[in-house]
Amino acid sequence: DTGVSQNPRHKITKRGQNVTFRCDPISEHNRLYWYRQTLGQGPEFLTYFQNEAQLEKSRLLSDRFSAERPKGSFSTLEIQRTEQGDSAMYLCASSPQDRVEQYFGPGTRLTVT
Amino acid sequence: KQEVTQIPAALSVPEGENLVLNCSFTDSAIYNLQWFRQDPGKGLTSLLLIQSSQREQTSGRLNASLDKSSGRSTLYIAASQPGDSATYLCAVIRAAGNKLTFGGGTRVLVKP
Repeated sequence: DTGVSQNPRHKITKRGQNVTFRCDPISEHNRLYWYRQTLGQGPEFLTYFQNEAQLEKSRLLSDRFSAERPKGSFSTLEIQRTEQGDSAMYLCASSPQDRVEQYFGPGTRLTVT
Repeated sequence: KQEVTQIPAALSVPEGENLVLNCSFTDSAIYNLQWFRQDPGKGLTSLLLIQSSQREQTSGRLNASLDKSSGRSTLYIAASQPGDSATYLCAVIRAAGNKLTFGGGTRVLVKP
């Protein structure tokens, strides 16, 4: 399967712990996006990479959040000192340089207890 | 700031009826509009993408229209089936490479 993959699919953590999610985009897609979706809402943009450069960050991305895309391939999203309000589905998407359509992964569902 | 609204938030129809889902946006300076389907607890599946220069796109039983001047898009699903039950999301993008701005979605239930 050559679609966007995300790991883990589910994560349950206790408040105050750190968590890290991984996204593997479609091969040769140079753009990578992270979104967050809470229950009953549409996804909200968090951050965007073109190759290894992080070009835009939402104000939703507090200083407890950090995202990286070393070497312009896979990306990681880390949340430090998790809070219950961080419970959500974290979605990753990728798109190629010459097209605007974004392809989404299955998401990582985070539950903070 | 772009705002995207989808009304109604939920819709229930008997099997075979046509579905009409609405999406409105406040800033008409969009690059394109994309419709997605989301099954419970799953990621998003792209259904149709309409570029700003187009007025509609069709795929099988699905047809999406775009009216930039009025800030509206409509997704039509003909002859609905129980398998069409899902949440449908619309999203607009301002320029190539930019983020998607999503509506809140319409949760559809097609009753057999």
